[in-house]
Amino acid sequence: ETGVTQSPTHLIKTRGQQVTLRCSSQSGHNTVSWYQQALGQGPQFIFQYYREEENGRGNFPPRFSGLQFPNYSSELNVNALELDDSALYLCASSFSGRTVDEQFFGPGTRLTVL
Amino acid sequence: GESVGLHLPTLSVQEGDNSIINCAYSNSASDYFIWYKQESGKGPQFIIDIRSNMDKRQGQRVTVLLNKTVKHLSLQIAATQPGDSAVYFCAENLSGTYKYIFGTGTRLKVLA
Repeated sequence: ETGVTQSPTHLIKTRGQQVTLRCSSQSGHNTVSWYQQALGQGPQFIFQYYREEENGRGNFPPRFSGLQFPNYSSELNVNALELDDSALYLCASSFSGRTVDEQFFGPGTRLTVL
Repeated sequence: GESVGLHLPTLSVQEGDNSIINCAYSNSASDYFIWYKQESGKGPQFIIDIRSNMDKRQGQRVTVLLNKTVKHLSLQIAATQPGDSAVYFCAENLSGTYKYIFGTGTRLKVLA
């Protein structure tokens, strides 16, 4: 069984730029959630995708957007980067059926905005 | 790898002792809870979960206790080992949603 993978592992951008982060979900999972983890804090929920549609969103501005593809992999896009966007971005996959199930996290992408 | 939780509360325990990590959750409507372990440079790793219709659940060397009256979770680790050193997070799921809210985390240091 393949685990959750994310790319790239590290990324450096400058303010105002745009970035795309990628996530491949665990085999058999149909749901992907994205989290932002600032240094010294717990992950903060950005949004979730289920069967290619956004299924819930946290308190993040519209410049954070995403996609899910037919193979259930996902992208997180952030436009007009700000310094405070520097964080570890985590992707978690799960199988969402009738009930909430455990999420499996990837290793994350460390984004630094200069 | 990068360091997770530079300014987190820290619990230091001797190898072989039991560890208890506490968490206060925020929403009385939450009905599913998970404890995660996060090592430096890695994503959170599932340890154990509990649903709100239970007050205790045991796994291998770990036990989670849930007190809904005071919105409190604890994680007990028996015979703590050096490999248990990490940052531990509790996460709550709001009933009817797929949104998880994470606590601030506790760093566990195991002393040899």
